[in-house]
Amino acid sequence: DARVTQTPRHKVTEMGQEVTLRCKPISGHDYLFWYRQTMMRGLELLIYFNNNVPIDDSGMPEDRFSAKMPNASFSTLKIQPSEPRDSAVYFCASTDRTNEKLFFGSGTQLSVL
Amino acid sequence: DQQVKQNSPSLSVQEGRISILNCDYTNSMFDYFLWYKKYPAEGPTFLISISSIKDKNEDGRFTVFLNKSAKHLSLHIVPSQPGDSAVYFCAAPPINSGGSNYKLTFGKGTLLTVNP
Repeated sequence: DARVTQTPRHKVTEMGQEVTLRCKPISGHDYLFWYRQTMMRGLELLIYFNNNVPIDDSGMPEDRFSAKMPNASFSTLKIQPSEPRDSAVYFCASTDRTNEKLFFGSGTQLSVL
Repeated sequence: DQQVKQNSPSLSVQEGRISILNCDYTNSMFDYFLWYKKYPAEGPTFLISISSIKDKNEDGRFTVFLNKSAKHLSLHIVPSQPGDSAVYFCAAPPINSGGSNYKLTFGKGTLLTVNP
């Protein structure tokens, strides 16, 4: 598939609930990134994987956040428990070694009430 | 501490005129820069890039200028079209990454509105 697919597109949940965001990278891409966009901080990198292995998770805000990539075609970002300040748009992106650019999904708009 | 700064949150121009979007950076060791464009409800898409060995890169209506001494880059769109209305982000990869775009640092973006 020639695009990054993210589900769900929108998620509204209550504080304290677990949230799982999903991403399917472009086939053949071996790098996967999770970004978060907020008004205050803009686009910030949370974590990225290479060949399904987490390389840098220094952007993950706290232990409530976790990310996995069980295989080359699927990744999840989980927030447990969620808090109102987690409300943001979460983007997944993928690329490979030959590309100078990232390919972003359409994002998941998360609202934690 | 933002290493890549876009100080203008928004810009409005008339169709046909030039749009100039600005970006400043704090680390003189950055050697590669990218611009991404984002429409509402979509993810950012790559637009144009420039290496620090150049001071200009052009692609159709889009030109990026790099002023290393001022640690400033700008994106020029000429002529501007209503379809250019979007948020524009400048970004830089880590120093000495060989142009690798991994772990990009993004500015906060500038919303460009091109009025018909």
